[in-house]
Amino acid sequence: DGGITQSPKYLFRKEGQNVTLSCEQNLNHDAMYWYRQDPGQGLRLIYYSQIVNDFQKGDIAEGYSVSREKKESFPLTVTSAQKNPTAFYLCASSPSSRLEETQYFGPGTRLLVL
Amino acid sequence: AQTVTQSQPEMSVQEAETVTLSCTYDTSENNYYLFWYKQPPSRQMILVIRQEAYKQQNATENRFSVNFQKAAKSFSLKISDSQLGDTAMYFCAFMKGAYSGAGSYQLTFGKGTKLSVIP
Repeated sequence: DGGITQSPKYLFRKEGQNVTLSCEQNLNHDAMYWYRQDPGQGLRLIYYSQIVNDFQKGDIAEGYSVSREKKESFPLTVTSAQKNPTAFYLCASSPSSRLEETQYFGPGTRLLVL
Repeated sequence: AQTVTQSQPEMSVQEAETVTLSCTYDTSENNYYLFWYKQPPSRQMILVIRQEAYKQQNATENRFSVNFQKAAKSFSLKISDSQLGDTAMYFCAFMKGAYSGAGSYQLTFGKGTKLSVIP
């Protein structure tokens, strides 16, 4: 089955701790994205990558970092600098970085601060 | 910067009836794309329908159709023959077209409309 997987489904972070959220896709999509969703809000873009070894900041990149070493993988690290990390995190991918392709979403990871 | 506004935080509809969800957007771009996504209680974001701004014909997908009014910057979603499985949050989203400079390929979302289908 082709699709986007995110793990874990739930993640708990202690104060001062960095945590990494996984996003993997087997759709052979070029572009990948990370969004944050807070209660009662739409999604906000954290980072995106149009091609391997390249990524760009979105609207709310502070306190987050990413890497794109493989086409299939786009992990997101929530660093201790992110003071309010509790949210629902969604990863998405789209077929091409050059066209206005539709973004398809993974099932999400819920991050909670202990 | 683009903004997307969904003025109806919550709506309800009887099963088998028709409901229309509103969305307005603000942009100075001429080349862009509009989307409706559905987020059921599972929280998985599912694409419902997509509209290219350069197309005058309104997009349709089975029971879902849009009323795209480019001059008014309006993009409403009509759900016909509502089903219980349509109960979800619905998000309207905007994407600048390619070669539009910074921000191309990025989705800007509205805050969503919570739709409840009543048996």
